[in-house]
Amino acid sequence: DAKTTQPPSMDCAEGRAANLPCNHSTISGNEYVYWYRQIHSQGPQYIIHGLKNNETNEMASLIITEDRKSSTLILPHATLRDTAVYYCIVPDQTGANNLFFGTGTRLTVIP
Amino acid sequence: EAQVTQNPRYLITVTGKKLTVTCSQNMNHEYMSWYRQDPGLGLRQIYYSMNVEVTDKGDVPEGYKVSRKEKRNFPLILESPSPNQTSLYFCASSLGLNQPQHFGDGTRLSIL
Repeated sequence: DAKTTQPPSMDCAEGRAANLPCNHSTISGNEYVYWYRQIHSQGPQYIIHGLKNNETNEMASLIITEDRKSSTLILPHATLRDTAVYYCIVPDQTGANNLFFGTGTRLTVIP
Repeated sequence: EAQVTQNPRYLITVTGKKLTVTCSQNMNHEYMSWYRQDPGLGLRQIYYSMNVEVTDKGDVPEGYKVSRKEKRNFPLILESPSPNQTSLYFCASSLGLNQPQHFGDGTRLSIL
């Protein structure tokens, strides 16, 4: 499964857009990019996923580069409740559907 | 409300005393799995199930058992718990492969 690389931490001012980058240079053509977040020790929460095209839902937008080697998660108006660890994941394509949660990016939204 | 429910949320027990952590989902999902989360190691998959009566090992299955007799339930069984199984456990479910996974709130186990 493709490995992902994320910065360990980022800060964002409340009300501003948070842009979280992720590199997945070994991703293959049929692999999706998923984003989850984990607030403290709560269960991980699904945010968004995509294959090739940019995606948007009520929580966030996902921008995937044309070569699919990197992506950016955008939280358009960050709030204090968005403070969490964000994980960029490319699940394995076996039946295990294993999500490898690495160290992620710890986003701190500052008042 | 669509959810994955785990019980208990917290448990402190002793080595060797069998325990079961239950997991139930109300979304009619076919796929379910168990993960454990330890500091510095991220989430690691223990077991997964693609459907009723179909289960398979994940990355760290030693010391654990599971069963999938019904679609909604996927209990995690520790027949003889040991201190190295002290961890935060999460159950997850999804419609299938390449579908978003929904996680429970977690079960914190302490084995003394």
